[in-house]
Amino acid sequence: AQSVAQPEDQVNVAEGNPLTVKCTYSVSGNPYLFWYVQYPNRGLQFLLKYITGDNLVKGSYGFEAEFNKSQTSFHLKKPSALVSDSALYFCAVREASNYQLIWGAGTKLIIKP
Amino acid sequence: DTAVSQTPKYLVTQMGNDKSIKCEQNLGHDTMYWYKQDSKKFLKIMFSYNNKELIINETVPNRFSPKSPDKAHLNLHINSLELGDSAVYFCASSPGLAGRDEQFFGPGTRLTVL
Repeated sequence: AQSVAQPEDQVNVAEGNPLTVKCTYSVSGNPYLFWYVQYPNRGLQFLLKYITGDNLVKGSYGFEAEFNKSQTSFHLKKPSALVSDSALYFCAVREASNYQLIWGAGTKLIIKP
Repeated sequence: DTAVSQTPKYLVTQMGNDKSIKCEQNLGHDTMYWYKQDSKKFLKIMFSYNNKELIINETVPNRFSPKSPDKAHLNLHINSLELGDSAVYFCASSPGLAGRDEQFFGPGTRLTVL
């Protein structure tokens, strides 16, 4: 069965510091992995995805994520956090042969000035 | 132009009433979705339509009925509203069912059942 875990309900980072939001997954075949961001009272916005190829994926707003097959992880990173990055972040996974998208529970990211 | 739009943005109603939420996308996508986000922000897929055909129908009460008059529209009708239906409902679309496609979300409809 497919599953995705975001082990941290909340991550606190000081502005200017690097940030990491964790995501691990479980699928039987090749995974397609996604990160979305939800700002308060808004819909979700797509940030980046891993389909195939380079394990380091770059996305919107300076975010990147690294696909690690051996650790079945797809952590979201940014070298220098901004207060405006404060939002709810969702990881999602889909098995390549399956159209069902499985969502993580979300991680609230708080960037303090 | 808004890519995925939903109306209304807010909906406050009494228990037992029937209500509808409308969704339209102008992206030319083939696939549309309805999600429910509860008060803890958990996101749950409810329905998925591809080319007006129902593809995903998760364990959702029969009181919820989606309708897709054409590929650009996916409406959600809810009968006999209950307190537990209070949530934010998101419509989304994607180019197709292909696993590599990301989804585009509407702004959400906040439903409050009193």
